[in-house]
Amino acid sequence: DAGVIQSPRHEVTEMGQEVTLRCKPISGHNSLFWYRQTMMRGLELLIYFNNNVPIDDSGMPEDRFSAKMPNASFSTLKIQPSEPRDSAVYFCASSQGPNGYTFGSGTRLTVV
Amino acid sequence: EDQVTQSPEALRLQEGESSSLNCSYTVSGLRGLFWYRQDPGKGPEFLFTLYSAGEEKEKERLKATLTKKESFLHITAPKPEDSATYLCAVQMDSNYQLIWGAGTKLIIKP
Repeated sequence: DAGVIQSPRHEVTEMGQEVTLRCKPISGHNSLFWYRQTMMRGLELLIYFNNNVPIDDSGMPEDRFSAKMPNASFSTLKIQPSEPRDSAVYFCASSQGPNGYTFGSGTRLTVV
Repeated sequence: EDQVTQSPEALRLQEGESSSLNCSYTVSGLRGLFWYRQDPGKGPEFLFTLYSAGEEKEKERLKATLTKKESFLHITAPKPEDSATYLCAVQMDSNYQLIWGAGTKLIIKP
């Protein structure tokens, strides 16, 4: 099992550009989470999918953020337009039911 | 208000010096308490889940315990490779979400 796979590992972009982060969850896991981690705020849940359906997106900062899960093996988090305050490490995690999550290695986003 | 508090924020130990990390919580209805380890530049790595007061789990030099108000992560005779940030999270029985603590940064000096 390759675990949760995220890409890219690092992304540096200019303010105003569109950024797309990608995630492949563990096969068989029916829950997928997108988190953001910063020194100031720690881990923040952005959105939660269950069986490919968005259940709770109340953590999405604003309309500039959107997430999709077109099938059980792929999800994207898009930021358009990006701003410097979006700079953070973005993690995808998956789980089977209400069990411990498995996190990916994260995408370090820097918006300049 | 539901919250999770970890202490201390940082802990420096000599190799072989045993100690404990604390995770206290105030939630209405606990489904489970999770411990994770996070190394720099990596995602959190799952360690343990505890479900009920009195439960204990062990893995190598780590042992996690749970009471009705807090959990301890005991580390026995730590080695430098145990250096990491240890995160605690609580899941309520009414919600899928995890409430995360801020973590304890553990540094083990050789």
